[in-house]
Parts: sequence; structure tokens; C-alpha cells
Amino acid sequence: EAQVTQNPRYLITVTGKKLTVTCSQNMNHEYMSWYRQDPGLGLRQIYYSMNVEVTDKGDVPEGYKVSRKEKRNFPLILESPSPNQTSLYFCASSTGGNGYTFGSGTRLTVV
Amino acid sequence: QKEVEQDPGPLSVPEGAIVSLNCTYSNSAFQYFMWYRQYSRKGPELLMYTYSSGNKEDGRFTAQVDKSSKYISLFIRDSQPSDSATYLCARSTGFQKLVFGTGTRLLVSP
Repeated sequence: EAQVTQNPRYLITVTGKKLTVTCSQNMNHEYMSWYRQDPGLGLRQIYYSMNVEVTDKGDVPEGYKVSRKEKRNFPLILESPSPNQTSLYFCASSTGGNGYTFGSGTRLTVV
Repeated sequence: QKEVEQDPGPLSVPEGAIVSLNCTYSNSAFQYFMWYRQYSRKGPELLMYTYSSGNKEDGRFTAQVDKSSKYISLFIRDSQPSDSATYLCARSTGFQKLVFGTGTRLLVSP
């Protein structure tokens, strides 16, 4: 089944403890992207990647890092999480022609 | 002004009604337009995708784009309780970035 897989689905962590949210797609898509979703603000892009080793900032990149060493994987790294990064995170991928396929989301709580 | 504006709702309709969901956008650059459906605790799911003005139909769903007035609509015919979800409009100027509206919550009652 064609899909975007994120892990974990739920995560509670403490301020300052580094964490990684993994994202993997099995559709050989070139484009991958991370979004966060907050009430009243909608989905906002954090980072995107157009192919292996090609990444760039989205609208809200502060406090996040990404890497794209393989085409299928696009992990999101929070080096020092803070409470304002409590959110619902989505990874998405696309060939570029027909819109993005989204993962099921990761609900992160930073206390 | 937000780049993509949507009424947050909720919009409540009885089963079988025709639903009209609307978005306006502010950027006139050449764009792709999409409608996504998001059920609670799920990721957005692509419903419709178009890059031109006019109508595009897929089953009970019709997407309408009016570039001259920067207006995007999604019509749902014969609405069902299973259509109850949040509907997100999105636009892009390229493949690397989507800009979303905040979504309209739709409730279809039996």
C-alpha cells in the first residue's frame, strides 16, 4: 500500500530533550515536507525537500532541523524542544504533479 | 491578510443537502489548487486537484476555481454523515510548498 509512515504517533517529552520524528514514504516521491497544525493557524510548512540532500526552510523553521540522506526518509529533529513546539506534526510527500500524500500525524507535547 | 482564507464553520447540514465550501486567496501567481478532507485524528486526504479556472467533477464532488475573483469552491452533492470532517483548501505556486486555509468543519446530520 502506498503510504507515508510517521513515528511515533504520540510523544510526550520534557523541555530540552532532543527528539526525532521519523518519516518514510514508499512511493519513490521526490518532494517531501513537514507541517505543523495548530488550532486557528492551520497547517504551516516547517521544512521541505526537493530530493536527496536538497532541503530548504518553510514558513516556521525555527527550532527544527531536517535531513534527506535517502529518498524515502525525511526525519524531523528537535534539538532542544520547547513548550511552544507542542503541536500536531504531519509529514507529506509528492511526485510534484498531483498534490501531497500525508502521513497520519505525530502529536507532540513538550512539558 | 492571510494568503488563503476560509470560514472555520462549523457548517451544519442535513443528510442529502448540497454543501458549498469556499476559499479566497490573495496571491495571483500561477497556482495549483487543492481540496483536502481531514477526519479527526487523521492526516489530510487529497480530494480534488486542479490548476485551471473552471469546474472539475469527481463523483459527488465538484471543485470550482475562479482566478479572476481569486475564489475557490468545493460542492458536495447528496451529502452523507461520512462527509463530516474538516475541509482544507490549499494552493501552491510550485511543487515544494502548499499554503493551506485554516479549514471549514462540516457536520452532516442523519
